[in-house]
Amino acid sequence: DVKVTQSSRYLVKRTGEKVFLECVQDMDHENMFWYRQDPGLGLRLIYFSYDVKMKEKGDIPEGYSVSREKKERFSLILESASTNQTSMYLCASSAYNSPLHFGNGTRLTVT
Amino acid sequence: QKEVEQNSGPLSVPEGAIASLNCTYSDRGSQSFFWYRQYSGKSPELIMSIYSNGDKEDGRFTAQLNKASQYVSLLIRDSQPSDSATYLCAAQARGGADGLTFGKGTHLIIQP
Repeated sequence: DVKVTQSSRYLVKRTGEKVFLECVQDMDHENMFWYRQDPGLGLRLIYFSYDVKMKEKGDIPEGYSVSREKKERFSLILESASTNQTSMYLCASSAYNSPLHFGNGTRLTVT
Repeated sequence: QKEVEQNSGPLSVPEGAIASLNCTYSDRGSQSFFWYRQYSGKSPELIMSIYSNGDKEDGRFTAQLNKASQYVSLLIRDSQPSDSATYLCAAQARGGADGLTFGKGTHLIIQP
């Protein structure tokens, strides 16, 4: 079974802090993704990566950056956390032409 | 702009009946379609995938695809209270490197 592991289940940060969300997958998948999910807005793609050191902006990249130094690890960085970034963050991975497999999610609260 | 549309519900179905969930998609370049189930506070879980026109059955679940109408559906037979969840429809372009486009989900309630 595919395992996608997100480093934190719950996180509370203060406004202006730099926040790192870590994601690791164990299936040698090429593609990795970061989504956020908010009530009424559904799942929205923040960034994705189809190879090591490659990254592409999704639909809502503003205020975020990513890093993929190794194939199995994809990090989401909030450069200066703001209250409107309070959300559920979901990491996912996939092989070519295959469905996404999600991690358990990180519920981030920015106060 | 790629879009996937679903009725948000809630859709209430008696236990043992057939639950019918529908979605439409805007991008004719979409090749693959998926249904995810999401329980409250949990992450989405893949339950069905479909790639060609017609029906695909897996246990109590049947996915249906009509590319001409840009329409995808999910039928759940013999609905159980444990099927109560939000169901997300998703479309994927060829290759899938840019991820999936998700609908906002249909909230399904199975009434005992």
